[in-house]
Amino acid sequence: EAGVAQSPRYKIIEKRQSVAFWCNPISGHATLYWYQQILGQGPKLLIQFQNNGVVDDSQLPKDRFSAERLKGVDSTLKIQPAKLEDSAVYLCASSLRRAGTGKYEQYFGPGTRLTVT
Amino acid sequence: DQQVKQNSPSLGVQEGRISILNCDYTNSMFDYFLWYKKYPAEGPTFLISISSIKDKNEDGRFTVFLNKSAKHLSLHIVPSQPGDSAVYFCAASEGGNKLVFGAGTILRVKS
Repeated sequence: EAGVAQSPRYKIIEKRQSVAFWCNPISGHATLYWYQQILGQGPKLLIQFQNNGVVDDSQLPKDRFSAERLKGVDSTLKIQPAKLEDSAVYLCASSLRRAGTGKYEQYFGPGTRLTVT
Repeated sequence: DQQVKQNSPSLGVQEGRISILNCDYTNSMFDYFLWYKKYPAEGPTFLISISSIKDKNEDGRFTVFLNKSAKHLSLHIVPSQPGDSAVYFCAASEGGNKLVFGAGTILRVKS
């Protein structure tokens, strides 16, 4: 089974430029997440999709960040314009509900490391 | 507002000995807890979980203990192996969906 795919793996941009990240979840996973992981911290949820609808975007800085999930499969996360503090690893995850516990097990992609100069 | 805390940034353990990683949480509504392992340049991978109705869950060399009254959980790795060297994240959720992560603990297992 293929894992969560993300691209690009690395991106360096100047502040005030825009950038987009792409994620392809595991086939059949209805739930997709974008996380931001700043160096020295744990991943922080930015947005959660269920199929192509947004479930939770309470921690997404909506003045500069946007995300969409096309046809309930692939997703893109965009930052426009970027700030220095956006330097982080952006992780995409997808999840499946475990039959036994009813809990969601999240599978993460390798992430995109963004450096804003 | 750190709802999940891992107070030890790093831990060094000799190969073959026990590694104990600790995690504290503040939100009493959390009812599902997970440990993730992360190697450099890779995403976190699921290791083990525990529901609040249990106080212990075991999977091979990995055991997670939950103390609800103290709002504390720990991950025990016995015996520790050099390949266990990684960053370990504790995560918690209410209802098992939206995860809140700790800052991570770097484990170094020395051979």
